[in-house]
Amino acid sequence: QVQLVQSGSELRKPGASVKVSCKASGYSFTDSAINWVRQAPGQGLEWMGWINTNTVKSTYAQGFTGRFVFSLDTSISTAYLQISSLKADDSAVYYCAREGATAAADLWGQGTLVTVSS
Amino acid sequence: DIQLTQSPSFLSASVGDRVTITCRASQGISSYLAWYQQEPGKAPKLLIYAASTLQSGVPSRFSGSGSGTEFTLTISSLQPEDFATYYCQQFNTYPLFTFGPGTKLDIK
Repeated sequence: QVQLVQSGSELRKPGASVKVSCKASGYSFTDSAINWVRQAPGQGLEWMGWINTNTVKSTYAQGFTGRFVFSLDTSISTAYLQISSLKADDSAVYYCAREGATAAADLWGQGTLVTVSS
Repeated sequence: DIQLTQSPSFLSASVGDRVTITCRASQGISSYLAWYQQEPGKAPKLLIYAASTLQSGVPSRFSGSGSGTEFTLTISSLQPEDFATYYCQQFNTYPLFTFGPGTKLDIK
């Protein structure tokens, strides 16, 4: 079954870090890039960037540089999003999504809720 | 930076209605545009890519058109499961992409 399965909800205090995983199955992981998308509560989709699963090169959207890091473990077909120095406004659902042939995201994970609260 | 705007932001319609959502780009993006549907509490789903190509498995009542700066998503006959939020996304500015702000489609 072709799918992306993300790790479960996380609760962190301000200043802490979190690492969200996105495990791919049913297709060749290195054939397609992985995008990351943020959705704050009640808000729209915000494209964070993507990681090339062949070259491991990451591209970050404006506003997602510095504290946000994409990484891979290709041996287990898994992509990661790490966020450091968490702030309250990082509270959101984070989605991973596979890049299709025309760059559109054709396969999405179920989303991971990250809550930052003291 | 290319900005995307969507109109309307909110739309109320009835089952069986034909609806059109517009996405406008601040500069030309050729046909590098996709449309997604997001139901409440769920992940987005790709509907249309390359402005007018229907993603596999998506019902034919969905269609997309346009190029350059103006694009439309049309649902020919609304079904109950179509009440959701719709987003456009542009890919012209590779490797940086952006989403539109979304259009929420509600039942009238």
